[in-house]
Amino acid sequence: GAVVSQHPSWVICKSGTSVKIECRSLDFQATTMFWYRQFPKQSLMLMATSNEGSKATYEQGVEKDKFLINHASLTLSTLTVTSAHPEDSSFYICSAPGRAPNTEAFFGQGTRLTVV
Amino acid sequence: AQSVTQPDIHITVSEGASLELRCNYSYGATPYLFWYVQSPGQGLQLLLKYFSGDTLVQGIKGFEAEFKRSQSSFNLRKPSVHWSDAAEYFCAVASYSSASKIIFGSGTRLSIRP
Repeated sequence: GAVVSQHPSWVICKSGTSVKIECRSLDFQATTMFWYRQFPKQSLMLMATSNEGSKATYEQGVEKDKFLINHASLTLSTLTVTSAHPEDSSFYICSAPGRAPNTEAFFGQGTRLTVV
Repeated sequence: AQSVTQPDIHITVSEGASLELRCNYSYGATPYLFWYVQSPGQGLQLLLKYFSGDTLVQGIKGFEAEFKRSQSSFNLRKPSVHWSDAAEYFCAVASYSSASKIIFGSGTRLSIRP
């Protein structure tokens, strides 16, 4: 079946640095991908919709200058957490739409970011 | 706007007992509905989904859910839980126009009593 691969699965970075997370659709093309954030013991919150070849659409309250999203190809979307701080430590997960219309999304494995 | 409410934050049931996790949604039309499970430190696994048709949906691991339009509910059930069912369960909704843009409920943590 369709697979979405997310890399890295975990990352530790120093406060003030930037971290890039990749989300790839392995055997299908995705013009749209979604990015979610999950704080410990909380639900998954939709951060943004990544659109191939155009700007991402951010949900209310998400800082677009801090969470840079690039969707340069039909199989790759990246999320860059810029100038990371400890409060950005979270589980980030991406998803891509199923190949057929009106089918559920496929989720990546998630990336656990720890900022120290 | 779509929203999902899971009124139970934490539920504990005995192994072998039946389970029902509650979910209510808010949406103007018939939404797409999902139940996902997440084990500690892990990603998401789709248990089942409702898009249309039979309102009683069968999923993996012996789970089922029933869509009740009149009550705006999509409760998850299992007749006999196993210790391995301990996890976080998320009810989720998506719109007809974008089945992949999924909005999650707050989750219900399930603990199993030996």
